[in-house]
Amino acid sequence: GAGVSQSPSNKVTEKGKDVELRCDPISGHTALYWYRQRLGQGLEFLIYFQGNSAPDKSGLPSDRFSAERTGESVSTLTIQRTQQEDSAVYLCASSQRDRGGLGYTFGSGTRLTVV
Amino acid sequence: GEDVEQSLFLSVREGDSSVINCTYTDSSSTYLYWYKQEPGAGLQLLTYIFSNMDMKQDQRLTVLLNKKDKHLSLRIADTQTGDSAIYFCAESIPSGTYKYIFGTGTRLKVLA
Repeated sequence: GAGVSQSPSNKVTEKGKDVELRCDPISGHTALYWYRQRLGQGLEFLIYFQGNSAPDKSGLPSDRFSAERTGESVSTLTIQRTQQEDSAVYLCASSQRDRGGLGYTFGSGTRLTVV
Repeated sequence: GEDVEQSLFLSVREGDSSVINCTYTDSSSTYLYWYKQEPGAGLQLLTYIFSNMDMKQDQRLTVLLNKKDKHLSLRIADTQTGDSAIYFCAESIPSGTYKYIFGTGTRLKVLA
């Protein structure tokens, strides 16, 4: 597509439930990133995928968080047993590898509210 | 350590210049960026500067970089109501991931 698409745009879930967030990157972008934006805070790096290489999971805050991506297509971020502190906007971005950090295109995000 | 700091709010009158400031701590940063986030939208890259430059101008935007003080600023000339948004600075950490470290964002409010 023309941009990075994320779904759902809003998600309200009960504490303890699992949620799955989806990101469709720009076609041809080999790199895909997930960030978290808590209210009033900056963006927090979660995970990075580059082609078929092993992902950089160094930003995942706990083992309740996991993400998958098949090849250079859709990615899903899964949060198990959600907690109230997981409430945030989850942003996905993609880029062409050779442009390094210069080619990030962000999606509009998924606003997750855990009640 | 990795930390990027910004003031939270800035209010200016339409037509005035806005200056948004940012300090960072990682001296090995290769690129520094300014992103704009409008309500309900993702982040949009406004401009960036290489770490070996001290100034970059792009139409109404001027970026100044002081590497000695690890200080980055964004000046918006002739600020318009459409410039109201949250502005994030970010530094690129030289690793294979090209991950960014973002500041907390400065909310710019432009008064008509």
